[in-house]
Amino acid sequence: NAGVTQTPKFRVLKTGQSMTLLCAQDMNHEYMYWYRQDPGMGLRLIHYSVGEGTTAKGEVPDGYNVSRLKKQNFLLGLESAAPSQTSVYFCASSSPLKGFGPATNEKLFFGSGTQLSVL
Amino acid sequence: KQEVTQIPAALSVPEGENLVLNCSFTDSAIYNLQWFRQDPGKGLTSLLLIQSSQREQTSGRLNASLDKSSGRSTLYIAASQPGDSATYLCAVNILTGGGNKLTFGTGTQLKVEL
Repeated sequence: NAGVTQTPKFRVLKTGQSMTLLCAQDMNHEYMYWYRQDPGMGLRLIHYSVGEGTTAKGEVPDGYNVSRLKKQNFLLGLESAAPSQTSVYFCASSSPLKGFGPATNEKLFFGSGTQLSVL
Repeated sequence: KQEVTQIPAALSVPEGENLVLNCSFTDSAIYNLQWFRQDPGKGLTSLLLIQSSQREQTSGRLNASLDKSSGRSTLYIAASQPGDSATYLCAVNILTGGGNKLTFGTGTQLKVEL
């Protein structure tokens, strides 16, 4: 019962370094998402994907890039990390609600998060 | 811009008490609303999803209601237990163009004491 798996769980970066967060889901979900969670601000959507090979910007996309080369994987990249990117990052996945079309969704399944600190 | 507010930010109750958590949103044009539970250092677990055409959903001791016209949802927890202690978040789906773009509230931190 793996569900949504995120790696790594913790990471410390220096300003300007780059890194990639990996998200893998084994539920054959079409949709995948990257959120960040900051104290007092709730979760905010960074980027999302509605299918293999497609990505789109969310609410706070600046400073991040994503790729979805395989349906089960969604990668989040930081090319030049900044202290403002210190946060907890969550990956999630879901599928359209059967019979209701692509504008709907079943429940969202989340990974356990990545704690990222940028010094 | 859709804004989601949860009040109170924190709540402490004795075991066995029934309680209600509140969620309000500014734009009633939503597709659905979800309630999540988050334990410290963990990801979110979806508890209940209410489609815009529905008024409520129930799962065990949990009941969530939705009043789109007034921009409100409540999560009712019956006979609370210490294991219910967690942060509860609501999120509305402001979906456009496919996908699931949720706007989250900042959560209510619940502590159920023995």
